[in-house]
Amino acid sequence: AQSVTQPDIHITVSEGASLELRCNYSYGATPYLFWYVQSPGQGLQLLLKYFSGDTLVQGIKGFEAEFKRSQSSFNLRKPSVHWSDAAEYFCAVAPRSSNTGKLIFGQGTTLQVKP
Amino acid sequence: DGGITQSPKYLFRKEGQNVTLSCEQNLNHDAMYWYRQDPGQGLRLIYYSQIVNDFQKGDIAEGYSVSREKKESFPLTVTSAQKNPTAFYLCASSPWSTSGEETQYFGPGTRLLVL
Repeated sequence: AQSVTQPDIHITVSEGASLELRCNYSYGATPYLFWYVQSPGQGLQLLLKYFSGDTLVQGIKGFEAEFKRSQSSFNLRKPSVHWSDAAEYFCAVAPRSSNTGKLIFGQGTTLQVKP
Repeated sequence: DGGITQSPKYLFRKEGQNVTLSCEQNLNHDAMYWYRQDPGQGLRLIYYSQIVNDFQKGDIAEGYSVSREKKESFPLTVTSAQKNPTAFYLCASSPWSTSGEETQYFGPGTRLLVL
């Protein structure tokens, strides 16, 4: 079955430390890939996306993600975390074969930042 | 400012009552979506619409209904048939193209609580 997995439900990092949030997908062909961030009680904000081309994608707020076809992964990274990065992060995919634009979301990873 | 608005921010439903959540966008997007968010479950698609006067069921459409009479508006009704309506509801919109390379943008959400 098609699925998106975020293995880490909750991650705590110290401010200034590096961050990597994992995302794995299970699809027959490489889907379109997205990372969104959600602050408590708010909607989702797009951080970055991958459609094609360079597998290292730069996003807003200093985030980047790398698409690795061999590992079916699209991990999100940030070299130095700020306290304001504390939020919930969602990986999402859209199958290329679908004409619905439907997004499949992972369960989310909650990031806590220690001072 | 262009964007997606959802109202109300909080909504309370009594037993046996239908309630309607509003979603409006001024981004000139063709497609609109409704998602339900429950803790630990990510986002699940309820309904989507790619064009005015047409909409499709998502993964969890039972107990919900929608209409798309205007391009800008995609209201969601939570009917009395939805037995567990307490959740955070998110509306999204995106441009539409045959390439599939659309990005969904989200509103701020409506939290529905049952009295």
